[in-house]
Amino acid sequence: DGGITQSPKYLFRKEGQNVTLSCEQNLNHDAMYWYRQDPGQGLRLIYYSQIVNDFQKGDIAEGYSVSREKKESFPLTVTSAQKNPTAFYLCASSLGTSELNEQFFGPGTRLTVL
Amino acid sequence: AQSVAQPEDQVNVAEGNPLTVKCTYSVSGNPYLFWYVQYPNRGLQFLLKYITGDNLVKGSYGFEAEFNKSQTSFHLKKPSALVSDSALYFCAVRDRPRGSASKIIFGSGTRLSIRP
Repeated sequence: DGGITQSPKYLFRKEGQNVTLSCEQNLNHDAMYWYRQDPGQGLRLIYYSQIVNDFQKGDIAEGYSVSREKKESFPLTVTSAQKNPTAFYLCASSLGTSELNEQFFGPGTRLTVL
Repeated sequence: AQSVAQPEDQVNVAEGNPLTVKCTYSVSGNPYLFWYVQYPNRGLQFLLKYITGDNLVKGSYGFEAEFNKSQTSFHLKKPSALVSDSALYFCAVRDRPRGSASKIIFGSGTRLSIRP
C-alpha cells in the first residue's frame, strides 16, 4: 500500500532532550510538510520541503529542525529550545507544490514532554 | 496573505438531516480551496477541492461544497448526515507568498457531531 508513515505513534520526552520524529512516504511525492496541532486550534506549519536537500521555514519553525536527504524521508527534530513541545505532530506530502495538489497526511505522532 | 475562517467551533445535527459546515475565505487572485476531515487521533483526509469550473464540487463520502465568489464562501454540505460523519473538519486555502513555494493555510476547524 502506498502512503505516509509516521513513527512512533506516541513519544515521551524529558525536558531538555532533543527528539526526532520520523516521516516516510512511498508516494513518490516531491513536497513534504510538518504541522503541529494543539487542542482547539488548527494546524500550524513548521517546515516544508519542495525537493531533496531543500527546505523552508513555516510559521512556527523556532525550536525545530529538519533534513531532507532522501525524497522519501523528512524527519523532524524537536530541540530543547522548543518551549512548549507537547502537541500532535502531522506530516504530509503532495505531488508538488502546485496550487492544484492536495496534501496526503500521515497518522500523526503525539509528543508529550514530562 | 490568504486566509480562511470557520465561524463555528461546533455543529450539531440529527442523523438523516442535511448538514452544512461553513467556511469563508480571503484571497488575492484565484482561490484554491480544500476541505479535509480528521477522525480522533488520526491524520487528515482529503475530501474535496475547488480549483476552477463548476461552483458545486463533489467529494468523498457523499460530501459536496459550494463555491460562492460573491460571498467569498466555500461551505461544506451533505444532504443526509450519518453518525459516522462525526469528526473535525478543516477548510484550507493555498497560499503562495512572494518568493516562496506555495503552502496550505488551514482554518481552525469545526467539530461536527451527528446525534442518532
